[in-house]
Amino acid sequence: DVKVTQSSRYLVKRTGEKVFLECVQDMDHENMFWYRQDPGLGLRLIYFSYDVKMKEKGDIPEGYSVSREKKERFSLILESASTNQTSMYLCASKPDNYGYTFGSGTRLTVV
Amino acid sequence: GQQLNQSPQSMFIQEGEDVSMNCTSSSIFNTWLWYKQDPGEGPVLLIALYKAGELTSNGRLTAQFGITRKDSFLNISASIPSDVGIYFCAGPHSSNFGNEKLTFGTGTRLTIIP
Repeated sequence: DVKVTQSSRYLVKRTGEKVFLECVQDMDHENMFWYRQDPGLGLRLIYFSYDVKMKEKGDIPEGYSVSREKKERFSLILESASTNQTSMYLCASKPDNYGYTFGSGTRLTVV
Repeated sequence: GQQLNQSPQSMFIQEGEDVSMNCTSSSIFNTWLWYKQDPGEGPVLLIALYKAGELTSNGRLTAQFGITRKDSFLNISASIPSDVGIYFCAGPHSSNFGNEKLTFGTGTRLTIIP
């Protein structure tokens, strides 16, 4: 089975800190995604990547950046964390056909 | 971006009851997907629908692709405790650069009352 691993389940960071959320997949998938999940809003796409060093903005990219230096790893970066970025962050990967596989999520709290 | 609205936002039911939820979109989708998220986990795909009018089952779950291609429905029969979680609809579409991305609905939280 495909495994998508997010490095932290829970994170607490201070306002203004630079935050890195890491995601690794083990099935050589081309496409990887970062979503944030908030009650009543569902999952909203932040950024996605369809190849190494390639990225595309999702629906809510403001305040975030991403890095994909290797195929298996897709990092989400909060350049200067703010309290409105407190959320659950979900990483996903998929091959060319349908079948998104999600990680277990990172619950980030910015204080 | 595109938005998918799910109804109801939450449901409180007793074990054994049937459940119905729906998802509507302002635009047409060619595929509808239904995911379930267990507490503390990421969403997992339950059912995929590829054709307008299609009715597909997965055990006690049945999903339908609406004729207008702007909606979809999920039914759960004879609910059991492990059905608890959040159910999301989702639809894939192309980005401005032609890359496929998945838009999710707002979610329906299912709770089973003892």
